[in-house]
Amino acid sequence: EPEVTQTPSHQVTQMGQEVILRCVPISNHLYFYWYRQILGQKVEFLVSFYNNEISEKSEIFDDQFSVERPDGSNFTLKIRSTKLEDSAMYFCASSEGADLYEQYFGPGTRLTVT
Amino acid sequence: QKEVEQDPGPLSVPEGAIVSLNCTYSNSAFQYFMWYRQYSRKGPELLMYTYSSGNKEDGRFTAQVDKSSKYISLFIRDSQPSDSATYLCAAGGTSYGKLTFGQGTILTVHP
Repeated sequence: EPEVTQTPSHQVTQMGQEVILRCVPISNHLYFYWYRQILGQKVEFLVSFYNNEISEKSEIFDDQFSVERPDGSNFTLKIRSTKLEDSAMYFCASSEGADLYEQYFGPGTRLTVT
Repeated sequence: QKEVEQDPGPLSVPEGAIVSLNCTYSNSAFQYFMWYRQYSRKGPELLMYTYSSGNKEDGRFTAQVDKSSKYISLFIRDSQPSDSATYLCAAGGTSYGKLTFGQGTILTVHP
């Protein structure tokens, strides 16, 4: 069964450093998303992406965040200068064109900023 | 007011019980409603996906949406210890693919 994959599973970085989180969405999906979940809190929407453009972004997704689809299979989230409060699980999700909201999530990357 | 609210529990039931999980939402524009299951430190797994009001059944799982009362339910019949997880409700339809999640309900099914 096709699934969303994410790498790395755990990333430790120092405050102020740049990190890139990687995702491989389901191959025939056209819409891609990033969410995050701070420990003990709700899953929060960050950004949606379609046709090499951001479709929607939340207030959390400020100038330190960026997304890219560098090739036909990968989808990345870059955090330019990490802060302690960026520590969270980051989930990538994807959906087909027909149903935007039928989203399939990856296993997540746990980001720890020290 | 929080857009999607969910009692975090925890909820503990014996094996074989019928489990009822519920969420309420405030935004009338929500049209799509999802239930996800999340095991500890794992990604959310899509269980049920419904559009607008009504019921949807898949095996032991039934999802119900009542838009008039802004109420979402998930029923699990013949619950199993492997159903022990956090159950997340989510809603969408107000913007381009954004899902709004509830807090999640921690469910334990004990043998």
